[in-house]
Amino acid sequence: DAKTTQPNSMESNEEEPVHLPCNHSTISGTDYIHWYRQLPSQGPEYVIHGLTSNVNNRMASLAIAEDRKSSTLILHRATLRDAAVYYCILRAVRLAGYSTLTFGKGTMLLVSP
Amino acid sequence: NAGVMQNPRHLVRRRGQEARLRCSPMKGHSHVYWYRQLPEEGLKFMVYLQKENIIDESGMPKERFSAEFPKEGPSILRIQQVVRGDSAAYFCASSQRQGTTYEQYFGPGTRLTVT
Repeated sequence: DAKTTQPNSMESNEEEPVHLPCNHSTISGTDYIHWYRQLPSQGPEYVIHGLTSNVNNRMASLAIAEDRKSSTLILHRATLRDAAVYYCILRAVRLAGYSTLTFGKGTMLLVSP
Repeated sequence: NAGVMQNPRHLVRRRGQEARLRCSPMKGHSHVYWYRQLPEEGLKFMVYLQKENIIDESGMPKERFSAEFPKEGPSILRIQQVVRGDSAAYFCASSQRQGTTYEQYFGPGTRLTVT
């Protein structure tokens, strides 16, 4: 699986936007970019995914660079509940037709009131 | 629609005992994945199962670990003769279909402590 690089941690203030970067310079043409987050003492939670175009959903936005070598997860207004570890994951379909998730260390987002 | 359920949430075993971890996928989901998270680390894939079939067990330790997903009932991750290094959080996830665009829904995890 292609590798991703994320900062170890980031800080934000409540109600401010947060931009979480992810580098994936070895991404292949069929890799989807997925983001999951893990709140303390909980299982991971899906946030968003995309292939080439920018994506928006109720939780966040995903901005994908034109060359797809990097992407940014955008939380438009951080809340205390958004404090979590955010994982950027590349998903590729294996020859057998399925894919699993390969988690790195992620970015720990700290949100201050 | 209930989410992925795992039980027990916390499990304490002495070295040499067996641990059985259960996972009930979301309704309508026939794909189950198990992941392990050691303290201060990210999640590591262990095994992927469909009903009555192990599809990919490339992340499972070769010995003492086994998994099943029977036709009826929950998926079971079984660890025989546990050792202290097995202490970790074990997460189960399910998805409706396989493929890169289908999100995986995770359970709350089972935290195994081996004393």
